[in-house]
Amino acid sequence: EVQLVESGGNLVQPGGSLRLSCAASGFTFSNYEMNWVRQAPGKGLEWISYIGGSGSSIYYADSVKGRFTISRDNANNSLFLQMNTLRAEDTAVYYCARRTGTTTHDTFDIWGQGTMVTVSS
Amino acid sequence: SSELTQDPAVSVALGQTVRIICQGDSLRNYYASWYQQKPGQAPVLVIYAKNKRPSGIPDRFSGSNSGNTASLTITGAQAEDEADYYCNSRHRSGDLLGWVFGGGTKLTVL
Repeated sequence: EVQLVESGGNLVQPGGSLRLSCAASGFTFSNYEMNWVRQAPGKGLEWISYIGGSGSSIYYADSVKGRFTISRDNANNSLFLQMNTLRAEDTAVYYCARRTGTTTHDTFDIWGQGTMVTVSS
Repeated sequence: SSELTQDPAVSVALGQTVRIICQGDSLRNYYASWYQQKPGQAPVLVIYAKNKRPSGIPDRFSGSNSGNTASLTITGAQAEDEADYYCNSRHRSGDLLGWVFGGGTKLTVL
């Protein structure tokens, strides 16, 4: 079964750091580009970061650029999101999502169940 | 602009047809995908690449694209289709690549 399982969410104080993980199974992880998408309570979905299959291509949304770092370990089928200098507005459920398709026909076809990050004092 | 615009809420009578609209400049260059999200659950892909359905998605779900507009149509809406629906597409600005989501449409089945 193709599956993504996030972990690492927690309550953290403003200015603090947290590292999220996403464990992939059921597919050849290194063949797929991966993303992090978040959803603040009661709000919509927000794409925040992308990483290519080899890890050499990386993009961030402006809202997290300079504070968050995406990485992957293909040997262990894992995706990570290092989050630093956290703010209250980073409070959200964080999903990892697999990207598939072509340049004009791409999509996020597999999603994890999400992990909750709460930034509060 | 990197935004996708959706109506916040739409309602449909049980068994009737409903269309959910998504508009944005990125749709002129990239096809939209559509996701269904029920309360407390992760999003689920329902339509991608113009009008393709993943395995397990009922054929009452269909999609279309024209210019800067993408549409998700549910033909014969069922009670279990009540959910939030989000569109998304790739967005490129110069060398910067990203993806954008619409604000979501809450579908109520009456």
